[in-house]
Amino acid sequence: DIQMTQSPSTLSASVGDRVTITCRASQSIASWLAWYQQKPGKAPNLLIYDASSLQSGVPSRFSGSGSGTEFTLTISSLQPDDFATYYCQHYNKPFGQGTKVEIK
Amino acid sequence: QVQLVQSGAEVKKPGASVKVSCKASGYTFTNYGITWVRQAPGQGLEWMGWISGYDGNTNYAQKLQGRVTMTTDTSTSTAYMELSSLRSDDTAVYYCARGGSQLLYWADYWGQGTLVTVSS
Repeated sequence: DIQMTQSPSTLSASVGDRVTITCRASQSIASWLAWYQQKPGKAPNLLIYDASSLQSGVPSRFSGSGSGTEFTLTISSLQPDDFATYYCQHYNKPFGQGTKVEIK
Repeated sequence: QVQLVQSGAEVKKPGASVKVSCKASGYTFTNYGITWVRQAPGQGLEWMGWISGYDGNTNYAQKLQGRVTMTTDTSTSTAYMELSSLRSDDTAVYYCARGGSQLLYWADYWGQGTLVTVSS
């Protein structure tokens, strides 16, 4: 089975910071990767699909890149609404363990 | 607008079964699939499986094989997830989400979640 590993598990940052989260697959998954944002008590929200395509309605400060086994989610300028937990997922397969973005 | 509305919270005893429903609206149900994801208290997201809205084809997480059954009723655009032989570690919020007509697709719209509590 393909395993997804995210890093870091927790990230402390300030408003306006550039933030990067990494997701690694145990074997090549081409570009079949999505990124989700989840806030406490809420359902996940799709941010990025096909590794780099921005879901409709998602702010352009979010971007995704990568293919094969290494992927990144970047927030170009962290906003107060972005403090949340982020998950990567190879489509319909296990999620990464999550990255919690906290206020520094 | 696309909506997925799930059934209400459940409390079950160990060994029992639970069936959660997910009623879809705002799109053609048979053109997409439904993915099920759960989240135990304070834990991450766990993918449970996927079902095609077109032909009922399923793909389950290996960990849950034999205990989970996903079905659809295309006449009412409703998907169901049944989990049997419940244990305390099945206590979680269960989510349905719209997936693709094929397995390799993202989940773009999500239900509100259904809390299932397993306790004696």
